[in-house]
Amino acid sequence: EVQLVESGGGLVQSGGSLRVSCAASGFTFRTYEMHWVRQAPGKGLEWVSYISSSSSTIHYADSVKGRFTISRDNDKKLLYLQMNSLRVEDTAVYYCVRAWSGPIWGQGTLVTVSS
Amino acid sequence: NFMLTQPHSVSESPGKTVTISCTRSSGSIASNYVQWYQQRPGSSPTTVIYEDNQRPSGVPDRFSGSIDSSSNSASLTISGLKTEDEADYYCQSYDSTNPGVFGGGTKLTVL
Repeated sequence: EVQLVESGGGLVQSGGSLRVSCAASGFTFRTYEMHWVRQAPGKGLEWVSYISSSSSTIHYADSVKGRFTISRDNDKKLLYLQMNSLRVEDTAVYYCVRAWSGPIWGQGTLVTVSS
Repeated sequence: NFMLTQPHSVSESPGKTVTISCTRSSGSIASNYVQWYQQRPGSSPTTVIYEDNQRPSGVPDRFSGSIDSSSNSASLTISGLKTEDEADYYCQSYDSTNPGVFGGGTKLTVL
């Protein structure tokens, strides 16, 4: 079964850091580009970051550029999002998503940033 | 950066057909594939249409997608509406400098 499982969310103070992870299974992870997408409480979906299959190309939304870092370990089938200088407005459920060509979504992990 | 604009809400009766639009603000809708996601309350999104009109396995053929270059928009059509189709629906596309752009979402009410 194709599956993405996020972990690492939690409560952090404004200005703090957190790393969320996404474990992939059931498909050849190293051949797929990956995305992080977030959803603030009661709001719509917001694309956050993209990484190509080989990590050679990376993009960020302007709202997180310079604060967040996406990375992956193809041997371990893991995707990461390192979040620094967190703000209250970063509070959201963070989803990892496999590619746009037949997208697969994880169940999400909640990140709460308190003031 | 381009935007994708969806109606905030639509409603229709069970058994009927509903169409949700998604209009691209700049650049051609045909230049990059459009995806559609369903999100029921309390659940993560799932893909109902990808690459404009492709259905993932398990998605019923009541769901269909199309694009219209004349209006620069994409559409999600759901026929034979069921109460279980009640959800939020999001369109999504991209281009070379914007790897992910989502519409604001449409709340579908089946009443």
